[in-house]
Amino acid sequence: DTEVTQTPKHLVMGMTNKKSLKCEQHMGHRAMYWYKQKAKKPPELMFVYSYEKLSINESVPSRFSPECPNSSLLNLHLHALQPEDSALYLCASSEGETVFNQPQHFGDGTRLSIL
Amino acid sequence: GQNIDQPTEMTATEGAIVQINCTYQTSGFNGLFWYQQHAGEAPTFLSYNVLDGLEEKGRFSSFLSRSKGYSYLLLKELQMKDSASYLCAVRDPGYGQNFVFGPGTRLSVLP
Repeated sequence: DTEVTQTPKHLVMGMTNKKSLKCEQHMGHRAMYWYKQKAKKPPELMFVYSYEKLSINESVPSRFSPECPNSSLLNLHLHALQPEDSALYLCASSEGETVFNQPQHFGDGTRLSIL
Repeated sequence: GQNIDQPTEMTATEGAIVQINCTYQTSGFNGLFWYQQHAGEAPTFLSYNVLDGLEEKGRFSSFLSRSKGYSYLLLKELQMKDSASYLCAVRDPGYGQNFVFGPGTRLSVLP
């Protein structure tokens, strides 16, 4: 069991669909992250929220839209995705930018398949 | 720029010892983390080094040399369940205090 909860665990969608991935943590962490991970590759950073403000956007296509409704929740809205967007999407949290010795805690991920 | 290197794959025998190396060049350094990731699962935290030297945690140890930009993860008494990918990640103040991941090393433990 992980302390970061992601839903859904699996998602299959067509290229014209709109869906959202959800992430929740109750550890009081102030930084939350979205990563994309392809098979046999490391996680690639997509977005970082620090104290509920978007602090890093790694030139991700606009068909991915993050949202941080409050300090415990992180969403990733998906629209008009492409087949190459099929991947494992990981959410992570950490205590914050000034707490260096604490690791990120990852959720189990959402396995996304685009048809 | 940021660059982290690890061997792509390693194979070892059950009961043996294996050392997984990680070299890094980042604009800054606020610690190096090792994670284990089984296929299709989330990465889980193994160890953290910020000062030079060896940190030991049961069967796992991690070493850091900041002057050489080098770390290794040592796994002793290997078990089949240790077959996984091992990721090193550097916390980089030049990257908003975010984590820069290496490519990962896929370890296969054979009976």
